[in-house]
Amino acid sequence: SAVISQKPSRDICQRGTSLTIQCQVDSQVTMMFWYRQQPGQSLTLIATANQGSEATYESGFVIDKFPISRPNLTFSTLTVSNMSPEDSSIYLCSVRGGPGSSYGYTFGSGTRLTVV
Amino acid sequence: QKEVEQNSGPLSVPEGAIASLNCTYSDRGSQSFFWYRQYSGKSPELIMFIYSNGDKEDGRFTAQLNKASQYVSLLIRDSQPSDSATYLCAVNMGDTGTASKLTFGTGTRLQVTL
Repeated sequence: SAVISQKPSRDICQRGTSLTIQCQVDSQVTMMFWYRQQPGQSLTLIATANQGSEATYESGFVIDKFPISRPNLTFSTLTVSNMSPEDSSIYLCSVRGGPGSSYGYTFGSGTRLTVV
Repeated sequence: QKEVEQNSGPLSVPEGAIASLNCTYSDRGSQSFFWYRQYSGKSPELIMFIYSNGDKEDGRFTAQLNKASQYVSLLIRDSQPSDSATYLCAVNMGDTGTASKLTFGTGTRLQVTL
């Protein structure tokens, strides 16, 4: 399965600032997703990162707050903009490979964000 | 109604016993079903996936799918203390595009006691 490098692993940020999270995959993948996991909760999909076009956002998530880039098949970024304490969460990148790869979905190690 | 439902637990089983984890889903169009294990402070790791009715076995793990009842389960045989974790059920609607996104249940916390 694909190996994902997600950075940073954790950060403490001031409210009102922005943080960009990077997700680098060691092979080309068809699908990349960004999830949020709030303390004690399950995973909620933020958006599907589309290569070369705008991301597809889930209900309750908007591009102005969570801009996403995916310039190629191995890399994506998620920015958490104008942060508030409610954005404190773990953010996870997930990928699904193409034909011949594992059918399952692999997750990055996550970014633990604390907004103060 | 939640799309994917799991009992939050904790489910407590003695070491060596069979742990049975259950998941129901609301959308009959759901195509593939995944079980993930998540240790505290770690990211989810895939245990098994299943997309056909019936059982699928992998080592100590067996996934069972009943599409008519919209029910998927995970059995863990010979439970070990290292199996203590949260188990997440996830489903998708297809193989391509946004249909391939996963929708997760809330997870069941499993405790294997000595």
